[in-house]
Amino acid sequence: QVQLQESGPGLVKPSETLSLTCTVSGGSISSYYWSWIRQPPGKGLEWIGYIYYSGSTNYNPSLKSRVTISVDTSKNQFSLKLSSVTAADTAVYYCAREKLGVYYDSSGYYYYYYMDVWGKGTTVTVSS
Amino acid sequence: EIVLTQSPGTLSLSPGERATLSCRASQSVSSSYLAWYQQKPGQAPRLLIYGASSRATGIPDRFSGSGSGTDFTLTISRLEPEDFAVYYCQQYGSSPRKYTFGQGTKLEIK
Repeated sequence: QVQLQESGPGLVKPSETLSLTCTVSGGSISSYYWSWIRQPPGKGLEWIGYIYYSGSTNYNPSLKSRVTISVDTSKNQFSLKLSSVTAADTAVYYCAREKLGVYYDSSGYYYYYYMDVWGKGTTVTVSS
Repeated sequence: EIVLTQSPGTLSLSPGERATLSCRASQSVSSSYLAWYQQKPGQAPRLLIYGASSRATGIPDRFSGSGSGTDFTLTISRLEPEDFAVYYCQQYGSSPRKYTFGQGTKLEIK
């Protein structure tokens, strides 16, 4: 059974870079997409971005200029870096696995994704 | 950009009652691209429904999803005490590939 565990500093100073790692256990990081999602205190969920095990990425346009997601297949880990943080980046950060779904209609096959396994989350506070 | 609006914001019901949660998209969404998650306090979200109507592994059959186009519904047929939580709908966008969440519906005990 695949499990995800987020790790990293719980406190980051304003203007610095937030760095988190998600370790995948019980399965391989290969052949999947992996996402980061965050949740500010008392608020809803915001998708940050994803990475494929091969290294291809895509980011939420609202965060794209500050986000970098990378993968280390030898360690079965992927990581998040968010630069120039402010108090607005204070949140619980989750990593999640994306599962592939397929459906077929008269026009052909279509692929879609959803998040089937989540880490427990790690709280990051931005404060001096 | 597609916006998902969930209603009501808070739903107060008693155990044993039926819960109906709504998720409305600002433009038409493929049914397969809609998922529902449950989140309890202090916990990570848990996948309930994907493809608008397929239950995830281990999810009780009292949970069901339906809908198409812009209107989607999560129904809990008979509420159990452990069902009181916050529920989020999520849309998968294929071009470009990204995700959007609704703002959530809090299901509380009446």
